[in-house]
Amino acid sequence: DAGVTQSPTHLIKTRGQQVTLRCSPKSGHDTVSWYQQALGQGPQFIFQYYEEEERQRGNFPDRFSGHQFPNYSSELNVNALLLGDSALYLCASSLVVGRGLTEAFFGQGTRLTVV
Amino acid sequence: QKEVEQDPGPLSVPEGAIVSLNCTYSNSAFQYFMWYRQYSRKGPELLMYTYSSGNKEDGRFTAQVDKSSKYISLFIRDSQPSDSATYLCAMSPIKAAGNKLTFGGGTRVLVKP
Repeated sequence: DAGVTQSPTHLIKTRGQQVTLRCSPKSGHDTVSWYQQALGQGPQFIFQYYEEEERQRGNFPDRFSGHQFPNYSSELNVNALLLGDSALYLCASSLVVGRGLTEAFFGQGTRLTVV
Repeated sequence: QKEVEQDPGPLSVPEGAIVSLNCTYSNSAFQYFMWYRQYSRKGPELLMYTYSSGNKEDGRFTAQVDKSSKYISLFIRDSQPSDSATYLCAMSPIKAAGNKLTFGGGTRVLVKP
């Protein structure tokens, strides 16, 4: 059973550029959430996608956007990169059950370095 | 003030000792409580999750939740060097264990052989 997979694993970008990160959820899961984890800190919620729509959003600017595809995979896009965007970006997947969600399983993350 | 507070450590213990970790929180809406383990440069791995107050045991791990005090704990018995990692507590609102998790900053644990 494949877990949550993310690509690429590492990425170096220049300030001002745009980046796209990709995530495939755990088999059977239909909800994808994205988190940003700065060095030495806990992950921070960016947004969550379900049924190809953004359902919840954390305190992140509009430079952060996303997309979910019919096969439940997802992309995170960040425009106009800043040095402060350097972090580990984590994707987590869950399954909608009734009115709730199962626990979240995380991928290995994409380490983004902005220079 | 952060919604979830966690001592960053590091917490150093000898092999075989009990590791005691805890988090405090301020948002009374939190109903699901989770503990994740994160090895260096890896994604978080779910260890345990509990709903509401009480204890839950799974092998060497015991999770406790005291909602009246807004305090949660994780105990690791018979600690091993392989338990050396950062431990993250996470919380979410009712009926939404995977929903918009709010994390603590993590506690780094080192188990010495």
